[in-house]
Amino acid sequence: QSALTQPPSASGSPGQSVTISCTGTSSDVGGYNYVSWYQQHPGKAPKVMIYEVSKRPSGVPDRFSGSKSGNTASLTVSGLQAEDEADYYCSSYAGSNTLVVFGGGTKLTVL
Amino acid sequence: EVQLLESGGGLVQPGESLRLSCAASGFTFSTYTMNWVRQAPGKGLEWVSSISGDVATIYYADSVKGRFTISRDNSKNTLYLQMSSLRAEDTAVYYCARGSISKAYFVYWGQGTLVSVSS
Repeated sequence: QSALTQPPSASGSPGQSVTISCTGTSSDVGGYNYVSWYQQHPGKAPKVMIYEVSKRPSGVPDRFSGSKSGNTASLTVSGLQAEDEADYYCSSYAGSNTLVVFGGGTKLTVL
Repeated sequence: EVQLLESGGGLVQPGESLRLSCAASGFTFSTYTMNWVRQAPGKGLEWVSSISGDVATIYYADSVKGRFTISRDNSKNTLYLQMSSLRAEDTAVYYCARGSISKAYFVYWGQGTLVSVSS
């Protein structure tokens, strides 16, 4: 069982927006502004899409945005495109003992 | 261009050992913290271990502590993961990743190497 809870699946039609949640505790998501989101296509390595809750690395489309409220972080993908269909994982810093925790992943389907 | 290339994966029996390598290029290897992250078949990601650029700081996940050893050779731009007392639950694709453990932010990833533990 993963430390962070994500819905197993999400879906939307091209052009629509979809939000994926990532729920933790005050010891991880709620305690630090160090939440990252990763996109993973089948058979490929993960790619970071969001870091430090809401920052986008260079090259990531601004259709991807992140936010956090309390113990829950969210990834929103606006203007869905076919290539956005992938698995998405969240991660959070969890303090000096546990260090890093991941969510179980969400499979995003573009209908 | 940053490149990370893992090698050393394979099929081993429970209790055996294996050493993974990750050859890095395109950046000043010695100045960056490096990490191992794994993914069991059909499962999510799990952080395994981290080592600072100067080798002064090393961390392990509880699931591998005492069995796995992370190391690096900055003269060869190579990261290692020595795995011993392997268990079936260690079966996974092992990724080498450059990133900040204190920010849970892994910027660059290798393509991964598959470790299968089975009798």
